[in-house]
Amino acid sequence: SAVISQKPSRDICQRGTSLTIQCQVDSQVTMMFWYRQQPGQSLTLIATANQGSEATYESGFVIDKFPISRPNLTFSTLTVSNMSPEDSSIYLCSVRRGDTQYFGPGTRLTVL
Amino acid sequence: GESVGLHLPTLSVQEGDNSIINCAYSNSASDYFIWYKQESGKGPQFIIDIRSNMDKRQGQRVTVLLNKTVKHLSLQIAATQPGDSAVYFCAENIGGNTPLVFGKGTRLSVIA
Repeated sequence: SAVISQKPSRDICQRGTSLTIQCQVDSQVTMMFWYRQQPGQSLTLIATANQGSEATYESGFVIDKFPISRPNLTFSTLTVSNMSPEDSSIYLCSVRRGDTQYFGPGTRLTVL
Repeated sequence: GESVGLHLPTLSVQEGDNSIINCAYSNSASDYFIWYKQESGKGPQFIIDIRSNMDKRQGQRVTVLLNKTVKHLSLQIAATQPGDSAVYFCAENIGGNTPLVFGKGTRLSVIA
C-alpha cells in the first residue's frame, strides 16, 4: 500500500483567488494522479503527473487552470487557479503502485 | 469504464444481511479490477482486487465476482455492519500504465 497525505484537508476560498494543494507520499512512486470529485459523484481524472515530464491533462482540464508540479518522486502540487464556485469539490491525489492505485484523504474546497 | 454520472444510486440493507453491489465495465481488454470503499470525508480505500484470469476472489467478509462474458463485476459483503456504510466504486485497469477507470459508485446504507 502507500501512505499519502494532503494539505490542506479543507479550505474556504474567495472567488478569483488560487489555492495550491500538496500531496506527499511515504515512498517513491513514478505515477501520480490528481482527481476531482464533485458532491455525490464519481472520480474524474484531472491529470497524470509523472516525475521528469510535463503533466498530461484530461479533456476539459487545462494547465492554466490546474498547474501541476512534480519536483520529485514523493511530492506533487495541484493549483486551482482563478477559482469560481464551480470549482468547489474534493481534490484527490492518487499514486500507482504495481497495478493498484492508492488515494490520499482528499482536500475539500469550497469557493464562495 | 463508465462515464461520470449524476447522483449515486443507493442500496439500503438491513444490518446482518448480505449486500451485493454491482458494476458494469465497458472494456473487454481490462485485465485487473479493484473495489474501493469511500467513507464520508475520506479518500477511496482499497478493499479487494481480482485479475481477469479469475472469476471469484474472497477476502474477509467480502467476495468479488467477475463475469467477463457480460462484463460484470460484483462485490458481496457478508453480514453487513453499520461500519460498511459508504460509497463503493469499482475500477478497471485497461492496460499498461494508464490510470484506472472508475465506475459511477453505489452508496451503501446500512439500517440498524
